[in-house]
Parts: sequence; structure tokens; C-alpha cells
Amino acid sequence: DIVITQTPLSLSVTPGQPASISCKSSQTLLHTDRKTYLYWYVQKPGQPPQLLVYEVSNRFSGVSNRFSASGSGTDFTLKISRVEAEDVGVYYCMQTRQFPITFGRGTRLDIK
Amino acid sequence: EVRLMDSGGGLVQPGGSLRLSCAVSGFNVNDNYVAWVRQAPGKGLEWVSIIYNSGSTNYADSVSGRFTISRDTSKNMVSLQMGSLRGDDTAIYFCASAGSTEVRPGFDVWGQGTLVSVSS
Repeated sequence: DIVITQTPLSLSVTPGQPASISCKSSQTLLHTDRKTYLYWYVQKPGQPPQLLVYEVSNRFSGVSNRFSASGSGTDFTLKISRVEAEDVGVYYCMQTRQFPITFGRGTRLDIK
Repeated sequence: EVRLMDSGGGLVQPGGSLRLSCAVSGFNVNDNYVAWVRQAPGKGLEWVSIIYNSGSTNYADSVSGRFTISRDTSKNMVSLQMGSLRGDDTAIYFCASAGSTEVRPGFDVWGQGTLVSVSS
């Protein structure tokens, strides 16, 4: 199984300040089709996960440009340029490179 | 608009069975994949199973042999038949799919979740 190590597990950020979350996979997420199947989600209290980013760095429709993501192979990062109160939630990365599909343990973001 | 509506959760005794349903609107289950992802209370996300437009299926080791995913094309619905339930199956179960082709093989559409509690 591909293990995803997500850090930090929690983050407390002052509004307007940046935030960064890391995901490291135990194996490359680069597929033979040359795509890298790493996704980022946020789950707000009482809601299902919401897609933020697909294939490492592509912001999903409607996602604020305050969110950016990058990485390759086994190392990936999600950045929020200026945290806002509405960004509170738990952030997960997910890989679909191979079965079983696996998630990071999540990073809880709250506001200072 | 693509929508998923999951249902069927409830309280069941250890060793019992339960059938979850995911009603799909906005695409045909013959044309796309649908997965189940669960979340134990206060815990993270765990992928459970997936069924593809081809009909092929895949399962997490933790549920393999106990859970069966299937689809009913006449109702445009995907089901998860859960058997030999254990306490560690207690979770909110979400169905999920890709409403946009560019996000495949990820998930951009999720149901609201249905709670399964396994307890005596």
C-alpha cells in the first residue's frame, strides 16, 4: 500500500498569514501515463470533503486562487497564501495512483 | 448537475448486515465510477470500495470478503452490501464520484454521508 505522511497534523494561523501542508508518499505517484494522481481536499465540520486540487497542482473549479499546490514524485505541498476564517477545516491529500486508494491523516487548520 | 444521495445507514449488531445506497443523478452509473469512502468518528478518511463503468470492482483489504459493491442501472444507483459487521466498521459512509472528467480518477462529487453504527 502507498502510505501518505501528512504534516503537520494541526496548524493554527493568524488571518492574513500563509499556511503550508506537506504530503509525502511512500512510492512515486507518477503513473505510466505521465500523470501524477495526487489530490487535495478540505473537510469542513459536518460536511463531506470538498475537492481543492487535482493532479498535484490543478485548482478545481471555484477554488480560491489563494490556494496553490505543487510537487512531484513523492513530495507534495498545498499552500494558502493568506488564510481566512472560512479556510477552517481538515485538509487531506489522497492518492489514486494505485489501489488501495489512500489518504493522509489530515491536517486540522484553525484560526488564531 | 451531478448529485449523489447516500442512504441506508443505521444501528446494527455485530455480525449483522446492512445495505447502503447511493442514488446518482447527472450521469449514468454505466458511464462513470462510484466509490465508497468512510470516516470513523473523529478520524480520517478511508477508501472502502469502487465500481467502474465496466462493472469491475475493488475493495480495501479491511472489507474484502465482507462487503459487496454493485449497481442497478434501472435505478441509476450504486449499493454497498455490508456483512459480518464489526465495531470498527462504525463510520459515516460517503459515496463519491467524478462529475468532471478532468478530475478522474479522483472524486469531486460526494454524498452527504450516512452513519453506520455497529453495536450490541
